Amino acid sequence: SQTIHQWPATLVQPVGSPLSLECTVEGTSNPNLYWYRQAAGRGLQLLFYSVGIGQISSEVPQNLSASRPQDRQFILSSKKLLLSDSGFYLCACNRGLDTQYFGPGTRLTVL
Amino acid sequence: GESVGLHLPTLSVQEGDNSIINCAYSNSASDYFIWYKQESGKGPQFIIDIRSNMDKRQGQRVTVLLNKTVKHLSLQIAATQPGDSAVYFCAENLSGNTPLVFGKGTRLSVIA
Repeated sequence: SQTIHQWPATLVQPVGSPLSLECTVEGTSNPNLYWYRQAAGRGLQLLFYSVGIGQISSEVPQNLSASRPQDRQFILSSKKLLLSDSGFYLCACNRGLDTQYFGPGTRLTVL
Repeated sequence: GESVGLHLPTLSVQEGDNSIINCAYSNSASDYFIWYKQESGKGPQFIIDIRSNMDKRQGQRVTVLLNKTVKHLSLQIAATQPGDSAVYFCAENLSGNTPLVFGKGTRLSVIA
């Protein structure tokens, strides 16, 4: 079964600073990859998903971007963070109609 | 989705009682459904799934029921324990390469 790694686990960044969150997957190949954001006590908001290397679909317009440089690597970035970017960021993967699994998440606080 | 900004509804149950968490899904063509459990500060964890050709599936202390007529999904937890306290999300999948659609989530609080 696959394992999803995310780092860092927690991050505190000033407003206007750049961001790079990384997600890597082990134990599977050609996965669909996803980035979600979750505000405290709220549901899951899909930000980006990718069905293959270099293929990114954006669900919500914002100052974040995603890239998939390798089959099992998914990166979430920002050039300039906003206060509203604070939240719990989750990476997930699946293959076709198989179960989608989540990583442990990164808690981002923008001050 | 439209549920992202809403506070989660809460279900409180006494330890040892059975819990039933309900979910209404949106697309009658959805083929695959999943329940997740999310503990505080952690990523959602897979609990149980069901495909649209079934109406019931049982796991360890959990049962998922699917009613396609009214587009309703439920999760039953038998003999609820304090460790079951978490937020529970349902999700539906229309096809293999489209993202899951998540429900708004329900917070389960177990009273000892």
